[in-house]
Amino acid sequence: GQSLEQPSEVTAVEGAIVQINCTYQTSGFYGLSWYQQHDGGAPTFLSYNALDGLEETGRFSSFLSRSDSYGYLLLQELQMKDSASYFCAGYTDKLIFGTGTRLQVFP
Amino acid sequence: DAGITQSPRHKVTETGTPVTLRCHQTENHRYMYWYRQDPGHGLRLIHYSYGVKDTDKGEVSDGYSVSRSKTEDFLLTLESATSSQTSVYFCAIREGLMNTEAFFGQGTRLTVV
Repeated sequence: GQSLEQPSEVTAVEGAIVQINCTYQTSGFYGLSWYQQHDGGAPTFLSYNALDGLEETGRFSSFLSRSDSYGYLLLQELQMKDSASYFCAGYTDKLIFGTGTRLQVFP
Repeated sequence: DAGITQSPRHKVTETGTPVTLRCHQTENHRYMYWYRQDPGHGLRLIHYSYGVKDTDKGEVSDGYSVSRSKTEDFLLTLESATSSQTSVYFCAIREGLMNTEAFFGQGTRLTVV
């Protein structure tokens, strides 16, 4: 089967940098994407990696290593509004989500 | 915002009754997905569609069926609802195979009593 594992929870303070890891146990994904979900809301797209390496989108960066079946989302200059759940997702014709990481940002 | 609407937004139903959730899009996207979200389980794929009348199973398809008779509508049916199907259901759309961004509806909170 296809599975993507993430840490269940991460905490950090405002202004800090945090990394959310995603390890997956399948081949065949065209790439890895990342979504943010605030409590009570719907997931929204953040970034993706179709190729190995680092992609930067403002305060958010995402990394993919296919050889290691591993990716991460890097959030810089954390703000209180970044407190949310974050999901990696592997995509083919399906879109399979990871277990999710709850990020809590403290003042 | 992508044009994707789920209905109903909330529903309470009794065990053993049939339930149909509707996802409607105005974007003409090829792919449509149904997920359920439960605490501790993230988003789990139930079924998806890659075109009109083209559907396939996801990770947790038992007890669910789907239909897509038009590009814009993707229906999820619980033939005989059980308490274990109490969940928040999300529909998502995606333009094409190599389009990485999916857009989600606002979710349907279903309670089976």
